[in-house]
Amino acid sequence: EPEVTQTPSHQVTQMGQEVILRCVPISNHLYFYWYRQILGQKVEFLVSFYNNEISEKSEIFDDQFSVERPDGSNFTLKIRSTKLEDSAMYFCASSLYGQGGNSPLHFGNGTRLTVT
Amino acid sequence: EDQVTQSPEALRLQEGESSSLNCSYTVSGLRGLFWYRQDPGKGPEFLFTLYSAGEEKEKERLKATLTKKESFLHITAPKPEDSATYLCAVQAENYGQNFVFGPGTRLSVLP
Repeated sequence: EPEVTQTPSHQVTQMGQEVILRCVPISNHLYFYWYRQILGQKVEFLVSFYNNEISEKSEIFDDQFSVERPDGSNFTLKIRSTKLEDSAMYFCASSLYGQGGNSPLHFGNGTRLTVT
Repeated sequence: EDQVTQSPEALRLQEGESSSLNCSYTVSGLRGLFWYRQDPGKGPEFLFTLYSAGEEKEKERLKATLTKKESFLHITAPKPEDSATYLCAVQAENYGQNFVFGPGTRLSVLP
């Protein structure tokens, strides 16, 4: 069964450094997402991406964050200057359609980001 | 304020002891309610989609139902391997493409 893959599985970085989290969504999916989950808390929406542009973003997704689909398969999340509070599990997800249409999100296994 | 809540926060069952998990939502224009299973350190794994009140879906020992205000995930004769956190998420008209997740129910099934 096709799956979403994420790399690295764990990233440790110092405060103020830039990090890039990478994802390969399911190949025929059209919508791509980043969610995050701080330890012990809810899964929170960051951003959705369709047709090579951001379609929606949350308040969390400020100017420190950016997303890119540099080629036909990869989808990346960049955090320009990490803060301690950015420490979380970051999940990439993809779906075939954006709304309804029997189109659930399919998640990767996440990247655990630790900012020291 | 629109929100998604789940109860109980945690549930411990003996193997074979059936029970139900609840997901309550207060959103306008529900497009879909989704159940996921999440194992520690892993991403949520899709289980079911429900779209309209009265709908039911089944998979092995799990059955999901939907009313206008809540969804239940019924677990029949659970096994230890059913231990996980169960998340519900909703997609609604005023959320656009965003899926809003509940806090989850942490299920432990003891042998």
